Amino acid sequence: EVQLLESGGGLVHPGGSLRLSCAASGFTFSSYAVSWVRQAPGKGLEWVSGISASGDGTYYADSVKGRFTISRDNSKNMLFLQMNSLRAVDTAVYYCAKDLAAGEEGNYYFDSWGQGTLVTVSS
Amino acid sequence: SYVLTQPPSVSVAPGQTARITCGGNTIGSKSVCWYLQRPGQAPVLVVYDDSDRPSGIPERFSGSNSGNTATLTISRVEAGDEADYYCQVWDSSSDHTVFGGGTKLTVL
Repeated sequence: EVQLLESGGGLVHPGGSLRLSCAASGFTFSSYAVSWVRQAPGKGLEWVSGISASGDGTYYADSVKGRFTISRDNSKNMLFLQMNSLRAVDTAVYYCAKDLAAGEEGNYYFDSWGQGTLVTVSS
Repeated sequence: SYVLTQPPSVSVAPGQTARITCGGNTIGSKSVCWYLQRPGQAPVLVVYDDSDRPSGIPERFSGSNSGNTATLTISRVEAGDEADYYCQVWDSSSDHTVFGGGTKLTVL
């Protein structure tokens, strides 16, 4: 059974930093592209960042480019999101999501999601 | 950046057919997927590649995509289908994944 377990969320002041982690199990992690998707309270889904299966390709939403960094450790089946210069508008539940099909770049259809970790940016 | 437009809400009686639209410039040239999300839960993929269903998704869920509109059709709607529905595409021109704003399906 595929499992994605996010951690690292919490309360942070504006301008602060936070590192999210996602522990993956139940599939060959190194064969799949994965992404972070967030959802602000009462709002819709927003794709944040994606990374290719090998980690060579990284992609970011305009709203986070230059502030967030996605990475992965395929030896440990882990996905990360380093978030710097956090703003109130970054407050959201952050989900780790796995691509439907194996492949280096993926197709960005997310067939498995974690339960999310809440990030609150507030003074 | 590419924009996907969904109606905020759709209402349907049990047993009837619900159609949720997703508008985008020449969206018919892109591959669309759909998710449902129940309150407090993570999204669930229900349609990908415009009209394919992942294993475990009932045949009542179907999709189509042409021109400037993609449509998710839910036949024989049940109370358990009540959820928020999101469309999504990969925009190759920007290397971005884009979600629609979401549609709340209410089963009357």
